[in-house]
Amino acid sequence: ETGVTQSPTHLIKTRGQQVTLRCSSQSGHNTVSWYQQALGQGPQFIFQYYREEENGRGNFPPRFSGLQFPNYSSELNVNALELDDSALYLCASRGGGQGNEQFFGPGTRLTVL
Amino acid sequence: GIQVEQSPPDLILQEGANSTLRCNFSDSVNNLQWFHQNPWGQLINLFYIPSGTKQNGRLSATTVATERYSLLYISSSQTTDSGVYFCAVGLLTGGGNKLTFGTGTQLKVEL
Repeated sequence: ETGVTQSPTHLIKTRGQQVTLRCSSQSGHNTVSWYQQALGQGPQFIFQYYREEENGRGNFPPRFSGLQFPNYSSELNVNALELDDSALYLCASRGGGQGNEQFFGPGTRLTVL
Repeated sequence: GIQVEQSPPDLILQEGANSTLRCNFSDSVNNLQWFHQNPWGQLINLFYIPSGTKQNGRLSATTVATERYSLLYISSSQTTDSGVYFCAVGLLTGGGNKLTFGTGTQLKVEL
């Protein structure tokens, strides 16, 4: 157990819909990152939040957006879902005073039909 | 961006055998982590090892940052070691740390 939780566990949506995924970081961790893992590949960095602001972004379009709340929990929002958005979405947290090590949640598996 | 290559891509072992997984990266890093991904998708932290050598039970890891590679050693393998092993590297940027993952090594340990 890493102390990082994600909800929901699984989700099925249809093309064009919008989805919100949630993450609660490990206690004391103020930085949250989101990753997308397609089948058979390694996770790909989407973006990172630190003190409620986006603090780095990977090669993902603007329809991928996020929020971080004062308690350091976070949301990932994806608009206009496409079939290729089907993947495992992973959240990771890191505490600034504890080095660079990141700890991952169990993930949300999104299927877009 | 940083390139991360892992080898071998697939590995089949008999229970009790030893193995070495390799991770090569293309630039200087100040974060390197090894993960084991279980069949349900959970990434389990094995080592945080930007440099040096660490051991945890049957597992050990060595990172030679100046030569841009890291090795993960698994001794006396067990069937529960099966799964995908990822190496991920990162640089500190601003207030955080983006991890770039390799493509993984799929390990299967058989009885």
